[in-house]
Amino acid sequence: DAKTTQPTSMDCAEGRAANLPCNHSTISGNEYVYWYRQIHSQGPQYIIHGLKNNETNEMASLIITEDRKSSTLILPHATLRDTAVYYCIVRPGGGSARQLTFGSGTQLTVLP
Amino acid sequence: NAGVTQTPKFRILKIGQSMTLQCTQDMNHNYMYWYRQDPGMGLKLIYYSVGAGITDKGEVPNGYNVSRSTTEDFPLRLELAAPSQTSVYFCASSYFGNWNTEAFFGQGTRLTVV
Repeated sequence: DAKTTQPTSMDCAEGRAANLPCNHSTISGNEYVYWYRQIHSQGPQYIIHGLKNNETNEMASLIITEDRKSSTLILPHATLRDTAVYYCIVRPGGGSARQLTFGSGTQLTVLP
Repeated sequence: NAGVTQTPKFRILKIGQSMTLQCTQDMNHNYMYWYRQDPGMGLKLIYYSVGAGITDKGEVPNGYNVSRSTTEDFPLRLELAAPSQTSVYFCASSYFGNWNTEAFFGQGTRLTVV
């Protein structure tokens, strides 16, 4: 799986948009970008994933650059409950991936 | 649906004891995983399984064993517990076929070895 690079930590004011970047410059054509988050002491939670088009769901938006070498997870109106570690993962599609490996992630702190 | 269920939630073991961490999922997922997470650190993959009867090592398999006799269950066995195995253990499952789907995680087992 391609390696990802994320900032170690970020702060965001409550009610503002949180933009979390991820670099995946070695991503292959069949690799998807996934985002998970882990709220303190809980199991990780899936947020969103995409291949090359931008994606939006009830939790967040995922913006993938045209060259697919980086992406941004956007939480449009961050709340205190969004304080968590956010993990960006790239993984092949088509059933060819076997492992699911997490990096260090970004600690997002939403400030009141 | 219950999703991914882990038992027990908490356990204290003495050095040298053994135990089995239970994990079961009711989503008919083919892939299952075991991770450990040390305090302030990320998740490390211990073992994974791509289907019943098939298991494989992850990043940190030493000191652990797994089995996958059914689609639903993926127990993790600790033999001769050591203080270095003090950690939070997470089990996860996902369906992997012709398209990607997300992984679902259990709520974790907090293990202390003293």
